[in-house]
Amino acid sequence: DAKTTQPNSMESNEEEPVHLPCNHSTISGTDYIHWYRQLPSQGPEYVIHGLTSNVNNRMASLAIAEDRKSSTLILHRATLRDAAVYYCILRNYGQNFVFGPGTRLSVLP
Amino acid sequence: DTGVSQNPRHKITKRGQNVTFRCDPISEHNRLYWYRQTLGQGPEFLTYFQNEAQLEKSRLLSDRFSAERPKGSFSTLEIQRTEQGDSAMYLCASSFPIGQAYSYEQYFGPGTRLTVT
Repeated sequence: DAKTTQPNSMESNEEEPVHLPCNHSTISGTDYIHWYRQLPSQGPEYVIHGLTSNVNNRMASLAIAEDRKSSTLILHRATLRDAAVYYCILRNYGQNFVFGPGTRLSVLP
Repeated sequence: DTGVSQNPRHKITKRGQNVTFRCDPISEHNRLYWYRQTLGQGPEFLTYFQNEAQLEKSRLLSDRFSAERPKGSFSTLEIQRTEQGDSAMYLCASSFPIGQAYSYEQYFGPGTRLTVT
């Protein structure tokens, strides 16, 4: 399984943008980059995913480096509800998700 | 509520006892997954079903663990002769089959927290 590297923890102030980095230097050409997050006492939830191009949805944006060896999840205006563990996962078509320890995001009021 | 549900939410058992957890997936989803999560770690894949067929099992799923999905709807995960190392959160997720729209997204339930004393 391809591996990802994320910082253990990050802090942000409320209503400011947050950039969560993920390194995946061994990514293959058919690996999709997925982001999930896990709020306290809940199961993970889907945030966004992409292959090569940057992606936007109502929750976040995903910026993918040109060489695809890294990506950044962008929360445009952090709220207290965004405090969670964020997982960056590489997944090839049909494979199962392999979660790492993720990045614990704290949002300060 | 049409999300994934899991019961019970919490289970405390003594070492050596058997426990069974239930997962009710989203009704339109054919795939159902079980994960285990310990403190400070991400979820670890245990097994998954496509309808009633169990298609893959992780090496983490020892002989004491068995999962079923008899009619392709709800699923049960049983742990026999529980050990203290089995203490964890057991998560269930469901999704559309690979190849269908939105199959990339897994919907997780709230989990069952097992404590083995």
